[in-house]
Amino acid sequence: EIVLTQSPGTLSLSPGERATLSCRASQSVRSSYLAWYQQKPGQAPRLLIYGTSSRATDIPDRFSGSGSGTDFTLTISRLEPEDFAVYYCQQYGTSPRYTFGQGTKLEIK
Amino acid sequence: QVQLQESGPGLVKPSETLSLSCAVSDYSINSNYYWAWIRQPPGKGLEWIGSIYHSGSAYYNPSLNSRLTMSVDTSKNQFSLNLTSVTAADTAVYYCARERFMSGLNYFENWGQGTLVTVPS
Repeated sequence: EIVLTQSPGTLSLSPGERATLSCRASQSVRSSYLAWYQQKPGQAPRLLIYGTSSRATDIPDRFSGSGSGTDFTLTISRLEPEDFAVYYCQQYGTSPRYTFGQGTKLEIK
Repeated sequence: QVQLQESGPGLVKPSETLSLSCAVSDYSINSNYYWAWIRQPPGKGLEWIGSIYHSGSAYYNPSLNSRLTMSVDTSKNQFSLNLTSVTAADTAVYYCARERFMSGLNYFENWGQGTLVTVPS
């Protein structure tokens, strides 16, 4: 099983600042198999990034993804008030087919 | 835009079977996508449960495999989940989702709003 470890657990920043969220895999992950989701309280997760760096439909360009192998990053260039949420990375691989990271909570400082 | 809506009992007794359905709107379940279930215990992270194709071909999380059955009803454009012998550890919000798996890309493109299922201890 590929374990995804996200860091930090909580990130406290102010609107307008840059956010960098990390996702580290216990084994190498094919870049096309890495995705990121945003989840706000009481809502379902929303797809942000797929294939490591491709933005999903209607996702603003302040969100970007990068990485390869075992280290992947989600960057939010300038935080807007609506960006404060929990973010999850996800990989597709062998058994189980999908695993998620434990999440990073992005909170307002 | 595809819409997904979960339905089922909000309370299931220990040792009984949890049964949920996901109705798919504005999109045919007979398309080239898998259809998935994902759950989230209160205050915790996401766990993939399993995925099914309209043909009935399915793959499950090994941690649930012995208790899990998924099915598709193409006439109703919906898919379902049965999880047997539930315990309090199965208490979670259950989401259904449309899973893209083509061109070497695998992710959950659209999600239902989720339904909370509680199994009392």
